[in-house]
Amino acid sequence: QKEVEQNSGPLSVPEGAIASLNCTYSDRGSQSFFWYRQYSGKSPELIMFIYSNGDKEDGRFTAQLNKASQYVSLLIRDSQPSDSATYLCAVTNDMRFGAGTRLTVKP
Amino acid sequence: KAGVTQTPRYLIKTRGQQVTLSCSPISGHRSVSWYQQTPGQGLQFLFEYFSETQRNKGNFPGRFSGRQFSNSRSEMNVSTLELGDSALYLCASSLAGRVYEQYFGPGTRLTVT
Repeated sequence: QKEVEQNSGPLSVPEGAIASLNCTYSDRGSQSFFWYRQYSGKSPELIMFIYSNGDKEDGRFTAQLNKASQYVSLLIRDSQPSDSATYLCAVTNDMRFGAGTRLTVKP
Repeated sequence: KAGVTQTPRYLIKTRGQQVTLSCSPISGHRSVSWYQQTPGQGLQFLFEYFSETQRNKGNFPGRFSGRQFSNSRSEMNVSTLELGDSALYLCASSLAGRVYEQYFGPGTRLTVT
């Protein structure tokens, strides 16, 4: 059974801090990795994707991929209350999502 | 550019009935995927269509089916509804060649009583 695991949280960080979200996966053949943000009552929104080992930065967001260890992480720098949401990790090739980590950023 | 649209947004059905949900992708997007989201199971992949052909399918019973039209619009059908089918059904579209960079619609909230 191919699995995508995320810590369900809730993860609480103070405003301005770095939030670190982690995801592990079981299928070594996975090639593409995505992070979606889902606000309560809304649909998921794509925020980052990464295909190669290493770091990928986009504004305050950094995705990190380590295929040997089978994990992908998302770092949010200078966290803002507006970042409070559930973050979903998605691992393709078979469109498999993790259960999501609920992040709360406290002012 | 308009986003993914789904109709209807809310639906209440009775056990044993069938339901059809509709999805219009972003203009130019030819891949459409469907997902079921529930509090207990999270976001689960149903199927993906590209150029009117089903390319991938998740682990759902045959009561769940879909199709895609030549204009890339897609429908999914659930027959013989069960209480456990109550969920948010999400449609996502993507460009050909970038299938996994998906943009989600607002979803259809289905309640089965």
